[in-house]
Amino acid sequence: NAGVTQTPKFQVLKTGQSMTLQCAQDMNHNSMYWYRQDPGMGLRLIYYSASEGTTDKGEVPNGYNVSRLNKREFSLRLESAAPSQTSVYFCASRTGGRASYEQYFGPGTRLTVT
Amino acid sequence: AQTVTQSQPEMSVQEAETVTLSCTYDTSESNYYLFWYKQPPSRQMILVIRQEAYKQQNATENRFSVNFQKAAKSFSLKISDSQLGDTAMYFCAFMKHVTGAGSYQLTFGKGTKLSVIP
Repeated sequence: NAGVTQTPKFQVLKTGQSMTLQCAQDMNHNSMYWYRQDPGMGLRLIYYSASEGTTDKGEVPNGYNVSRLNKREFSLRLESAAPSQTSVYFCASRTGGRASYEQYFGPGTRLTVT
Repeated sequence: AQTVTQSQPEMSVQEAETVTLSCTYDTSESNYYLFWYKQPPSRQMILVIRQEAYKQQNATENRFSVNFQKAAKSFSLKISDSQLGDTAMYFCAFMKHVTGAGSYQLTFGKGTKLSVIP
């Protein structure tokens, strides 16, 4: 049981390049999330998927797109990377339902855009 | 919108001593959940403790306990018998109770960097 996994762990992009961050969970969770963490800040929600087949914007969605490929996988895509997107990205998952509020986090991806 | 404020950017404590980290929040919700997450240098986010707002009793998990003051909108974390492994960033987080489909998103404070000194 690996929990939440993210690939890659580190990535350097040039401005304008595109890339996809991958996230997978093996806990059969319904809901998945993408957060970003900037220096001196807490995590902020980019996008979430309450259940397979649905996605919604969070607090800071601009410049990103997501795909809930199946119940296990939730990817985050940067179409044209900008230096402002330099950050650490965390994926998280949650069982679903009103009583299941704990989120389980992946190890993070450190992204640098030059 | 909810806001979470951690007023102590950095703190330090001697090993085996007790330390309290502060957190205040602002919300108009009556039902919600509060959390403390630990982020060690490995970057992994680890849930330390959680509190349901409808519960008057303060949550406790081994050496970690909270002082939840709902009227004051305060949620502090007390770490007893501090250990070197407690050195980490600590984030306070808020989640509002959702009655139907919804994000259940977490709103985080900016964190407190705790150093445990041998």
